[in-house]
Amino acid sequence: DADVTQTPRNRITKTGKRIMLECSQTKGHDRMYWYRQDPGLGLRLIYYSFDVKDINKGEISDGYSVSRQAQAKFSLSLESAIPNQTALYFCATGDQNAYEQYFGPGTRLTVT
Amino acid sequence: GQNIDQPTEMTATEGAIVQINCTYQTSGFNGLFWYQQHAGEAPTFLSYNVLDGLEEKGRFSSFLSRSKGYSYLLLKELQMKDSASYLCAVNRDDKIIFGKGTRLHILP
Repeated sequence: DADVTQTPRNRITKTGKRIMLECSQTKGHDRMYWYRQDPGLGLRLIYYSFDVKDINKGEISDGYSVSRQAQAKFSLSLESAIPNQTALYFCATGDQNAYEQYFGPGTRLTVT
Repeated sequence: GQNIDQPTEMTATEGAIVQINCTYQTSGFNGLFWYQQHAGEAPTFLSYNVLDGLEEKGRFSSFLSRSKGYSYLLLKELQMKDSASYLCAVNRDDKIIFGKGTRLHILP
């Protein structure tokens, strides 16, 4: 079984709809991250969390919110999706001692 | 990506050596990662450098100069499967910020 899972893997939604992307991990890591990846722009940090009570904005948090429901779960929400949020979204986890991030398989989101 | 610069694309020949450079702003710097990402897949960890110097791991080596804000990833004995994007990322005050990545093409 994968250590970091993301659901859904693909989603097409319409402008204005609310959508939630979910991430779960079995690695027991405290740190979790959400990134989006666009062609030519690389990975950009949206939000990150160092434990259940800790939520921090990343480089591009506008239009997004997150919830850390448990150590193993970190959800990303788009309250009112817009077309320029079309991207590939990755969740990642990290152990503060190992400094290595483990990425989920990604969610490809299309907003029409 | 907060002034993390790396070349957009590079081309090399199978069996050769290639060096991918990365420069970054040094403020708040804690360490530097290199990741490999094949098209359509998730990034996978290659290395993390905290101290100055060269770290070797099989065919891949990573170098860091903290004072110069400079790192490179060295790939030896290139194989076709090394065709991928290579992402430089900086641990800045415990936020991990990525550069735009270098797409490496390997020619037979």
